[in-house]
Amino acid sequence: QVQLVQSGPEVKKPGASVRVSCKASGYTFTKFPIHWLRQAPGQRLEWMGWINAGNGYTKYSQNFQGRITFARDSSASIAFLDLSSLRSEDTALYYCARYFPDWESFDYWGQGTLVAVSS
Amino acid sequence: DNVMNQSPLSLTVTPGEPASISCKSSQSLLHSNGYTYLDWYLQKPGQSPQLLIYLGSNRASGVPDRFTGSGTDRDFTLKISRVEAADVGIYYCMQGPQIPPVTFGQGTRLEIK
Repeated sequence: QVQLVQSGPEVKKPGASVRVSCKASGYTFTKFPIHWLRQAPGQRLEWMGWINAGNGYTKYSQNFQGRITFARDSSASIAFLDLSSLRSEDTALYYCARYFPDWESFDYWGQGTLVAVSS
Repeated sequence: DNVMNQSPLSLTVTPGEPASISCKSSQSLLHSNGYTYLDWYLQKPGQSPQLLIYLGSNRASGVPDRFTGSGTDRDFTLKISRVEAADVGIYYCMQGPQIPPVTFGQGTRLEIK
């Protein structure tokens, strides 16, 4: 069965960087894009962008331009989110989600990774 | 960016009764290819969001036919014909990835009376 398993919670200081991983299983990793989203406390879900797991093409939300990088290790079926220059407003639950082209939607989600930014 | 507004923001429903959630988009979600890029997700307590409805009105695999998505252009509705205890959670509408950037409604919290 399809699963996306994310890395564990992180606590970071302002100005630091964080890497969140998303390991896929149960399907051919390179055939489906991975999107990244986050949910800050009390806020609506926010889309961050996506990576083509096959060729590595990336598209970032303008809200994160310059601070965000997506990567993937196709051999290990893992997608990565790197977020730099962290600030307190980046405290959120970060999700990876598989984009299913036939439905034009996110059919599987990771369990979420809590990133807390605090001095 | 497109703004998605849901109403109501919270809903308390007696089991067996119907429920309805509205989602209004500031931009048309009807693509030139004829598809409407509006999805509905349910986030149950302590869980990740799960897909309910895609492309406006199509139920995802395993979603009971009690759930119906409708609407086009800028005005959408999610209806639950008979609410059950398992339906508790927060419902989100989402502008689909084909019309970036992806945006979400504020969420509607459904509770059981």
